[in-house]
Amino acid sequence: NAGVTQTPKFRILKIGQSMTLQCAQDMNHNYMYWYRQDPGMGLKLIYYSVGAGITDKGEVPNGYNVSRSTTEDFPLRLELAAPSQTSVYFCASKRGETGGQETQYFGPGTRLLVL
Amino acid sequence: GIQVEQSPPDLILQEGANSTLRCNFSDSVNNLQWFHQNPWGQLINLFYIPSGTKQNGRLSATTVATERYSLLYISSSQTTDSGVYFCAVVYGQNFVFGPGTRLSVLP
Repeated sequence: NAGVTQTPKFRILKIGQSMTLQCAQDMNHNYMYWYRQDPGMGLKLIYYSVGAGITDKGEVPNGYNVSRSTTEDFPLRLELAAPSQTSVYFCASKRGETGGQETQYFGPGTRLLVL
Repeated sequence: GIQVEQSPPDLILQEGANSTLRCNFSDSVNNLQWFHQNPWGQLINLFYIPSGTKQNGRLSATTVATERYSLLYISSSQTTDSGVYFCAVVYGQNFVFGPGTRLSVLP
């Protein structure tokens, strides 16, 4: 298994540009998450999904959109990039069949710089 | 919402020393995990520990859910232990991360 994969690894955007961060998992996990980590800080939840077709907002959803058309993929969309969105973005997944009683697995992260 | 605090924020150790990292949380939780973020940014699961004690080599963790805290013990620290240690709690459907403890182990 590849686990949780993310692309790209690094991207520079100009203010106002848009892009999609890709996340995929091959573990047949139901739950998927997007976090952002600002320099020197912990992770904050942007959006999450408990299954295909179901998404919900986390702590910091403004400026982002998500979709979950398949179990495997959970892309994160930035429509109008702003300097405040400069961060490292982590995707994660877990099986989600036993409530909270499970380990969450993380991808390697995407480093985004908005200039 | 729930508050997750970690202490100390920074810790510098000499190789071979022992350390204890603490995580406090403000409400009942379903799950608690400890993660290590290495200097390259990779997040590595250490323990899933909603209650009780677990050990894995030089690392062990104890969670006292009734008193809302968890401890991570690192014994005989090595330079490869450097990085940031996060605790994260499951609150409802979501993981809430603490701010982390930055550990530097000097040779």
